[in-house]
Amino acid sequence: KQEVTQIPAALSVPEGENLVLNCSFTDSAIYNLQWFRQDPGKGLTSLLLIQSSQREQTSGRLNASLDKSSGRSTLYIAASQPGDSATYLCAACNQGGKLIFGQGTELSVKP
Amino acid sequence: GAVVSQHPSWVICKSGTSVKIECRSLDFQATTMFWYRQFPKQSLMLMATSNEGSKATYEQGVEKDKFLINHASLTLSTLTVTSAHPEDSSFYICSARISDGYYEQYFGPGTRLTVT
Repeated sequence: KQEVTQIPAALSVPEGENLVLNCSFTDSAIYNLQWFRQDPGKGLTSLLLIQSSQREQTSGRLNASLDKSSGRSTLYIAASQPGDSATYLCAACNQGGKLIFGQGTELSVKP
Repeated sequence: GAVVSQHPSWVICKSGTSVKIECRSLDFQATTMFWYRQFPKQSLMLMATSNEGSKATYEQGVEKDKFLINHASLTLSTLTVTSAHPEDSSFYICSARISDGYYEQYFGPGTRLTVT
């Protein structure tokens, strides 16, 4: 059974810092891995999707990497801004197409 | 593109009543939709997978008679919480998947259900 873990659970940084969010999964037989952002009381916004055959994806200040063999993914946020404050969720997509979510990392970027 | 809407965005109902939540893919056809629930400060838990024209597949521990799912068209799936109780109060989120082989899910904005 796939389990997804995110570390840290919460993170507070000053504006401008580069930061890394970690995600690990127990079953490497994934179809893809997705990173989402969730603002309080809102739905999910897809940030990046990495197919199982890919190593990384980039969008603006965001870069996500995937290492299937070690069961790890990281989300790198460059030059963080207060508007980046949100909960970040990673989710592993199994071969059946279902998403298994981690518990999320609550990020706070202080001005 | 790939926009998913939910209606209502929030609902308050009395214990014992039923509530229907709609999930629509606005600019694409979705043969598969998913329903999740999320408790405060917790992650999303998959409740069921909904395929157009067939019965939904429920995850272990989810009561199919309590959470009725209908996926009558390629753009609409509904979740009905029957005989709602306060413990059913939660944030319900749907997602829709394009049948393009990439398995990317697009999420709705969620529905906040409060049962009094």
